[in-house]
Amino acid sequence: RKEVEQDPGPFNVPEGATVAFNCTYSNSASQSFFWYRQDCRKEPKLLMSVYSSGNEDGRFTAQLNRASQYISLLIRDSKLSDSATYLCVVITGRSYGNNRLAFGKGNQVVVIP
Amino acid sequence: GAVVSQHPSWVICKSGTSVKIECRSLDFQATTMFWYRQFPKQSLMLMATSNEGSKATYEQGVEKDKFLINHASLTLSTLTVTSAHPEDSSFYICSLPRLAGGPATYNEQFFGPGTRLTVL
Repeated sequence: RKEVEQDPGPFNVPEGATVAFNCTYSNSASQSFFWYRQDCRKEPKLLMSVYSSGNEDGRFTAQLNRASQYISLLIRDSKLSDSATYLCVVITGRSYGNNRLAFGKGNQVVVIP
Repeated sequence: GAVVSQHPSWVICKSGTSVKIECRSLDFQATTMFWYRQFPKQSLMLMATSNEGSKATYEQGVEKDKFLINHASLTLSTLTVTSAHPEDSSFYICSLPRLAGGPATYNEQFFGPGTRLTVL
C-alpha cells in the first residue's frame, strides 16, 4: 500500500460548482498534513494546513479523519483559476528537520467555463 | 517574495556530462534541505535530505554516488547529477522546512521553483 494515495482524476468541475476529494495515508503515526497546489511545470505552493478540528480558508475547507486515515479538501464556488493539481502532503515526525515527507500524486482539478 | 531560489531553472545537456543544481535559501538559515524529483504526471519523490555540515541522507533506491549533495553553508545546498543519462531527465525541486507555530509542531515546506533537466 502506498504511503499516500490520491485519485489523480481529472476532476472536471463546472465553474461555480463544488468539488471535493480525499487523500488517504497509511502511517497512523503521521502528525502533520498539508494541501499544496501545483500548477503545471511549477513548484508546489502551500494552500493550507490541515488541523484536527478542520479548517476553512475562504472557499477552501480541509478536514482530517484520523480514524479512517484520510484528509479531504473541498472547494466551493469553483473559479477558473482553481484549475491545478492539489497535492496531499503527510509528515511523520515532530523534530525540526527530522521528519519524513510523503506526497500523493495529486488530484488534478479542471474548472470548466 | 521568494524564499527559495534554484539555479539553473532549466538545463539541457549531453549524455555523460555532470550537472550541478543550486538551491539557495533567501530568507532564513536552513540546516536541512530536501531534494525531490518529479516525473511527468507523477508525485514528488523525495531523493535525499541535505544536512548542513554533514553527509546527506539518501532515500532507498537513490544512488548517492550519482546524485552528489553538498550542503556547505546554511543557505546553500547543491545537487550534482553525475554522468547524466536520458532517464535522469526530470524536474528537480528542493525545499526547506520551516518550524511554524500552531496546534502542533509541523514543518511547512518552502519549495524552490525547480530545475528542469533534459539529457539528450
